[in-house]
Amino acid sequence: KNEVEQSPQNLTAQEGEFITINCSYSVGISALHWLQQHPGGGIVSLFMLSSGKKKHGRLIATINIQEKHSSLHITASHPRDSAVYICAVRDTDKLIFGTGTRLQVFP
Amino acid sequence: NAGVTQTPKFQVLKTGQSMTLQCAQDMNHNSMYWYRQDPGMGLRLIYYSASEGTTDKGEVPNGYNVSRLNKREFSLRLESAAPSQTSVYFCASSEAGLGGDQPQHFGDGTRLSIL
Repeated sequence: KNEVEQSPQNLTAQEGEFITINCSYSVGISALHWLQQHPGGGIVSLFMLSSGKKKHGRLIATINIQEKHSSLHITASHPRDSAVYICAVRDTDKLIFGTGTRLQVFP
Repeated sequence: NAGVTQTPKFQVLKTGQSMTLQCAQDMNHNSMYWYRQDPGMGLRLIYYSASEGTTDKGEVPNGYNVSRLNKREFSLRLESAAPSQTSVYFCASSEAGLGGDQPQHFGDGTRLSIL
């Protein structure tokens, strides 16, 4: 069993839809990261959180430490949101990455 | 702002050849990392450098060596390339090391194919 699991693996949506990507982890953590990998391959850090909720523009990230679960929400999705979204958790001295959720948003 | 710059972007090698992947950051970060990304797997840490002058093995260090040349630059060397090292390699940096909760800034990646 992977220590960091994301669901779904693939997701398609119509422009304007509300998107939810889930991340569950099995290790004790101090922080969880959400990253975005563009179709060209570049990786950008979106959020780092250890409790509660963070919001940046149309993106919202939440974490439930007791349930070992985090969600990334995208409101009013747009084709430019098409990317792979990666969850990573910090376990002591290393980051453990999920395999990513590939999102495609169609006009 | 350049951020993290990796060179080259693409490379094809023959088995047994050697090469060095270069990485430089202009954010005055203390910590730098090398990851590889393979299909169906999450990013895996090869080596990291918590600060200038120090390097440590990550999850998959075999077949690689690194050099933290100065605070800005962290290179990854393949001494004798093997087909199993075909991958996309990412360099990243952060203000604090793995023990600190700081976001990592990634380069654009190097796509390496070994025939």
